[in-house]
Amino acid sequence: NAGVTQTPKFRVLKTGQSMTLLCAQDMNHEYMYWYRQDPGMGLRLIHYSVGEGTTAKGEVPDGYNVSRLKKQNFLLGLESAAPSQTSVYFCASSYSRGGAYNEQFFGPGTRLTVL
Amino acid sequence: AQSVTQLDSQVPVFEEAPVELRCNYSSSVSVYLFWYVQYPNQGLQLLLKYLSGSTLVESINGFEAEFNKSQTSFHLRKPSVHISDTAEYFCAVSDRARDDKIIFGKGTRLHILP
Repeated sequence: NAGVTQTPKFRVLKTGQSMTLLCAQDMNHEYMYWYRQDPGMGLRLIHYSVGEGTTAKGEVPDGYNVSRLKKQNFLLGLESAAPSQTSVYFCASSYSRGGAYNEQFFGPGTRLTVL
Repeated sequence: AQSVTQLDSQVPVFEEAPVELRCNYSSSVSVYLFWYVQYPNQGLQLLLKYLSGSTLVESINGFEAEFNKSQTSFHLRKPSVHISDTAEYFCAVSDRARDDKIIFGKGTRLHILP
């Protein structure tokens, strides 16, 4: 099993450009999450999904959109990138959002720089 | 809302010395508690978790954490650290009663000195 994979690993964008980050998991998990990690800020939840076809806002959703068309994939989109979105982005998945099975499995991250 | 405080952003410690990384969470009737570890240039991975039962939980690589309900703490300890323990450690909490999301602390970077 590959676990959670993220594409791409690195990306440099110019202000105003758009891009999509892809997250895929092969563990048949229901829940998937997108976080951003910034120095001194820890992990902040951007959006999450509790199942195929569903999405919900997290702590810092502005400037991002997501889609979960297939259970195994969770896409994070930046419509018009800004320098404030320079960060490391992590995708995670879990069997459930609450309860004893909510250990989250993380991807290796995408390092995004917006110039 | 649930919150997690990791009191130290960085902890330097000599190799083979003991270490304690502190974590406190806001009060709740029933919680699940986690420690995640992030090695350089990697994603986070679960180190250990407290769900119920014994308040002392252990990991396979010598770390342990104790759930203290009265002090709302879940400190992580290791009696003798190794250079390979160099990483950032995140405490996290899930409020079981509200079926809430996992809240992560800001992390503690553990520096092992030779």
